[in-house]
Amino acid sequence: EAGVTQFPSHSVIEKGQTVTLRCDPISGHDNLYWYRRVMGKEIKFLLHFVKESKQDESGMPNNRFLAERTGGTYSTLKVQPAELEDSGVYFCASSQTRGQIYEQYFGPGTRLTVT
Amino acid sequence: AQSVTQPDIHITVSEGASLELRCNYSYGATPYLFWYVQSPGQGLQLLLKYFSGDTLVQGIKGFEAEFKRSQSSFNLRKPSVHWSDAAEYFCAVGAPGTDKLIFGTGTRLQVFP
Repeated sequence: EAGVTQFPSHSVIEKGQTVTLRCDPISGHDNLYWYRRVMGKEIKFLLHFVKESKQDESGMPNNRFLAERTGGTYSTLKVQPAELEDSGVYFCASSQTRGQIYEQYFGPGTRLTVT
Repeated sequence: AQSVTQPDIHITVSEGASLELRCNYSYGATPYLFWYVQSPGQGLQLLLKYFSGDTLVQGIKGFEAEFKRSQSSFNLRKPSVHWSDAAEYFCAVGAPGTDKLIFGTGTRLQVFP
């Protein structure tokens, strides 16, 4: 069974440009999460989808970030326009069922560099 | 607010030596606690988790962790480290009423032969 996949693995863009990150969860997982790790800091929660609905988006930093999950399968995270402080590693995770006791499976992350 | 502290940013050990990675948390009730590992080019992999019951938890790859309520700690241990254990290790707490995880800043482990 394939794990969580993320594309691209690395993206370098200039300030002001737009970037779209993609996450494909494990097949059959209704729950999808986005997290971000800024250099040297902790991994921080961004948002949680249950199927195509946003369950919790309390971690989204501002309105330059837009997450979608059309059809409840893969998800995209768009940053527009990108700022220098958006640089970091963006992780996606998925789980089959809601609740802390169910393991969140993480992808390898997308490293975003904004210059 | 919930928080997780991993005081050691970088640890170096010799292969075969014992290992203890520290994790302290701030949370008002009994938390859900996790340790994840990230090897180069890989996603975070769950090593072990604690929800309730026995405070000594066994995980994969020979790791264990002990929950100590009095010290608000959940330290990760391994009696004999292998070169393949070189990776970054993250401690995390489960936030109440939500599914989100709150992570520490991570500890990078380097293993010398």
